[in-house]
Amino acid sequence: EDQVTQSPEALRLQEGESSSLNCSYTVSGLRGLFWYRQDPGKGPEFLFTLYSAGEEKEKERLKATLTKKESFLHITAPKPEDSATYLCARDGKLTFGQGTILTVHP
Amino acid sequence: GAVVSQHPSWVICKSGTSVKIECRSLDFQATTMFWYRQFPKQSLMLMATSNEGSKATYEQGVEKDKFLINHASLTLSTLTVTSAHPEDSSFYICSARFMGGDEQFFGPGTRLTVL
Repeated sequence: EDQVTQSPEALRLQEGESSSLNCSYTVSGLRGLFWYRQDPGKGPEFLFTLYSAGEEKEKERLKATLTKKESFLHITAPKPEDSATYLCARDGKLTFGQGTILTVHP
Repeated sequence: GAVVSQHPSWVICKSGTSVKIECRSLDFQATTMFWYRQFPKQSLMLMATSNEGSKATYEQGVEKDKFLINHASLTLSTLTVTSAHPEDSSFYICSARFMGGDEQFFGPGTRLTVL
């Protein structure tokens, strides 16, 4: 069974304090690793798709990377508006992790 | 691009009634649509996958006679919660994937409250 595990469950940062979120996945037959952002009471917003180890994608203050066993979402100099739940999911039927709740304090 | 809408955004109904939720892909044709539910402080749980013109495929434990899914066109899927009960109260979210694509694009969700 495909599994996705995210850590930490919650992360509190000061504005400008860079950090990383982790997503570990079962390796077999990965066809894509996805990152989404979800604000309270809203549907997830697509951020990135990664397909192969070594791949990196960037969008504003976010950079997603992929290794053979895990993916990282790096947040550089975050702002309060980056506060949200960040979800990763693996291919096909999108097995979601539990998410990381990010709070950025001004 | 890749905008998905849902209607209604919230609905309150009495126990025993049926509720229909619409999911539309506004600027692309969605060969596959998905329905999820999300309970407070939990992640999304896939309920069913539907392909245009075909019967939906339900995940284990999801009652297909209770959650009726119709994917009648490449831009519209509907979820009908039949004989709703308070335990069906949840946040229902649809997503859509276009032909040849890998990403799913999500709607804004529908909050269902059953009294």
